[in-house]
Amino acid sequence: SQELEQSPQSLIVQEGKNLTINCTSSKTLYGLYWYKQKYGEGLIFLMMLQKGGEEKSHEKITAKLDEKKQQSSLHITASQPSHAGIYLCGADTVGGNTPLVFGKGTRLSVIA
Amino acid sequence: GAGVSQSPSNKVTEKGKDVELRCDPISGHTALYWYRQSLGQGLEFLIYFQGNSAPDKSGLPSDRFSAERTGGSVSTLTIQRTQQEDSAVYLCASSLGSYQPQHFGDGTRLSIL
Repeated sequence: SQELEQSPQSLIVQEGKNLTINCTSSKTLYGLYWYKQKYGEGLIFLMMLQKGGEEKSHEKITAKLDEKKQQSSLHITASQPSHAGIYLCGADTVGGNTPLVFGKGTRLSVIA
Repeated sequence: GAGVSQSPSNKVTEKGKDVELRCDPISGHTALYWYRQSLGQGLEFLIYFQGNSAPDKSGLPSDRFSAERTGGSVSTLTIQRTQQEDSAVYLCASSLGSYQPQHFGDGTRLSIL
């Protein structure tokens, strides 16, 4: 099975609705990084979580890392068309300055 | 700009040719990573440079792939005798150090005919 599972694979929501994307690891997370990608572009860094129970927010996006440090969720409140794109979680399961393992991404569409 | 810069943005070449992809990291970032993104495969790690240490090449798919980082800054990823399965977006990222986020360039879209 995959080391890092992301769900759902795709999501279509109506503008103004809330949504949640999950990222589950089979290993302990030393760091969990959320990125957003638009077609033809690179990954834009959103947030980094390292401590169990940690929660961070930026504008209408909130990310949490559970106490056991094996699962993270990304929550968007009152979604807007500008939130559309592919959301990727990247995991550091080794510790330190190491390459990340990425989930396969969640494709988010926001419709008016 | 101050971000990671990759060139070319697009590359189309014939099967069997060699290609070179360039990455200019953020100034001061000691770590540099190459990843590959293919349809249906997600992002996969290729190679990683940290300062003057020997690179971690564990993600390179075959000996046709190599990379170097000159002067601790610019990196070049070389693919020899390209195959159709090499078609993908090649992404470069850099970071300040341990437990710091990786910042990505816009990638090079490689198409092998």
